This record gives sequence, C-alpha cells and structure tokens, in this order.
Amino acid sequence: RKEVEQDPGPFNVPEGATVAFNCTYSNSASQSFFWYRQDCRKEPKLLMSVYSSGNEDGRFTAQLNRASQYISLLIRDSKLSDSATYLCVVTFRNQGGKLIFGQGTELSVKP
Amino acid sequence: GAGVSQSPRYKVTKRGQDVALRCDPISGHVSLYWYRQALGQGPEFLTYFNYEAQQDKSGLPNDRFSAERPEGSISTLTIQRTEQRDSAMYRCASSPREDRRERTGANVLTFGAGSRLTVL
Repeated sequence: RKEVEQDPGPFNVPEGATVAFNCTYSNSASQSFFWYRQDCRKEPKLLMSVYSSGNEDGRFTAQLNRASQYISLLIRDSKLSDSATYLCVVTFRNQGGKLIFGQGTELSVKP
Repeated sequence: GAGVSQSPRYKVTKRGQDVALRCDPISGHVSLYWYRQALGQGPEFLTYFNYEAQQDKSGLPNDRFSAERPEGSISTLTIQRTEQRDSAMYRCASSPREDRRERTGANVLTFGAGSRLTVL
C-alpha cells in the first residue's frame, strides 16, 4: 500500500461546480500536509499548506482529519483555469524532511 | 538564481551509458531534493540534501543511482549503466532556510522544470 493515496480521476466538472478531492495516508506519524498543483507538462507548484484547524484561500478550502488520516481539498465555483492535477503531499516525523507525494488527481473543468 | 535550474532539459541516451543530471537551486536554499516522475504519477522521492550532507537516500532505486552536492549548492544526480526503465522526468526542488519556512515547520518546495531522460 502506498503511503499517500489519491483517486486519480479524472474528475470532469462544469464551470461553476464545486468539487472535492480526498487524500489518505497510511503512516500515523504524519507531520505536515500540502496540496500542490501541476499543470500539464509543467512542474508541481505549491497550492496551499494544510493546517490542523483547516484553512481557506479564496475558492480553495483544505481540511485535515488526523483521526481518519485523510486530507481534503474543496474547490468552489470552478474555473476553466483550475484544470490541472492536484497532488497531495505529506511529511512524516519518522522519515525526516522528505515529502511524500500522492499520484495526483486530475481535474478537468469544462465550459 | 531566480528559480531552480535543471540541465539538460532533455537527454536521450543508449542503454548502458552513464548520465549526469544537474540541478542549480535557488540561491541560499538549504535543502535540495531529487524526485522522479513517470507519466500519470506523482513525483517519487529519490534523495535529499541539507547543505552538502545527504540526509536521506532511501528512494534511490539501486546502486546505479547516486547524487552529490559537494559545496552545498549545485547537485548532480548520476545514473550509471542506464536501462530503459530509467526513462522518466527527473525533477529537482529546493527549499529555503529554516527561518523562512512555512509555519508548519516543513519544507515548501520550489521545483525546476525537470530533465526528461529517455533511454533507448
């Protein structure tokens, strides 16, 4: 079993829709959590960190559930420009500073 | 530099040849990471450095892979006796000094554009 798992999708949604992605992790010694965005043929870029109390950045909301070992990303009012792959990233206390990436969830927003 | 620079951007080589991939991180960034990414997959951790010290090399697939960062800045990932299964995008990322990290205390990575390796 992979340490960080995501539904690969693709998620095909119309403009204006709300879409949510989940990411589960298997190591209870989790430390820090992030969502990265990767456009086609480009490098991953940080979208947002995920804090224990949950956090919001405009149309994007990230939540953490340590008990169930998952994080989520909610995108409201989807835009065409949100089409990308969303990567869940976790660090673990017992694995030093390395960041473990999920396989990514592909989102396609259609007009 | 302004961003993370990787070279070459594209490398085509024949099976059995050695290749060296270079990464020039953002100036002043302490940590440097190497990842490998196959099509449709997330980045797979290979190794990382703090300054010149290799902190973790648990992701290197076998002893044909090695990495160094001798002066704590530029890093080289070397693959000896390449095989077709080594074909992938190799990505380097760096993260800043301790006092400029996100409040979570963990690294925030800035990636380079990657080096695409094709082994024939």
